[in-house]
Amino acid sequence: NAGVTQTPKFRILKIGQSMTLQCAQDMNHNYMYWYRQDPGMGLKLIYYSVGAGITDKGEVPNGYNVSRSTTEDFPLRLELAAPSQTSVYFCATCGSYNEQFFGPGTRLTVL
Amino acid sequence: AQSVTQLGSHVSVSEGALVLLRCNYSSSVPPYLFWYVQYPNQGLQLLLKYTSAATLVKGINGFEAEFKKSETSFHLTKPSAHMSDAAEYFCAVGNSGAGSYQLTFGKGTKLSVIP
Repeated sequence: NAGVTQTPKFRILKIGQSMTLQCAQDMNHNYMYWYRQDPGMGLKLIYYSVGAGITDKGEVPNGYNVSRSTTEDFPLRLELAAPSQTSVYFCATCGSYNEQFFGPGTRLTVL
Repeated sequence: AQSVTQLGSHVSVSEGALVLLRCNYSSSVPPYLFWYVQYPNQGLQLLLKYTSAATLVKGINGFEAEFKKSETSFHLTKPSAHMSDAAEYFCAVGNSGAGSYQLTFGKGTKLSVIP
């Protein structure tokens, strides 16, 4: 039982490049989330999904896109990377009492 | 709307001393409350949760928290700090309303343990 997995662990992008952050879960949870974490700022919700085919914006969606074709996978797409997107990205799923289970994170640097 | 305030971005304690990390919340409906711990270069791990059962909640690694509705608080405590407790701690609030599955996180408190 792997829980929530994320790839890659680290990535360096040049300004204007694109990439997809992968997230997969084997907990059979319907709700999934993408957060970004910046020093001293806590976690900010980027996008979330309530099930396959259904996604919605969070607090800071600009510059990102998501899709959810299966229960297991919830990729996050950056189309035109900007230095402001340098951050640590976490994927999470939601259990029975709103508790969330987090992946190990992807550390992204945009230069 | 819901919000979380963690008092103190950094807290230092001596090894063996009491750990007290403060969290106050606001919520328009009965809340669910959580504490998470994050070790360096890792994801967030659930320490404990309050979901309207007992107001004193015990978690992993000897931590506990008490829900006080009158004070809108959910402070995290541990009687005796260990070096391994050095990490960042996040308080989060969710609400028990139907269809609500989002958490609001505090900005975190970094705990240092002095030998």
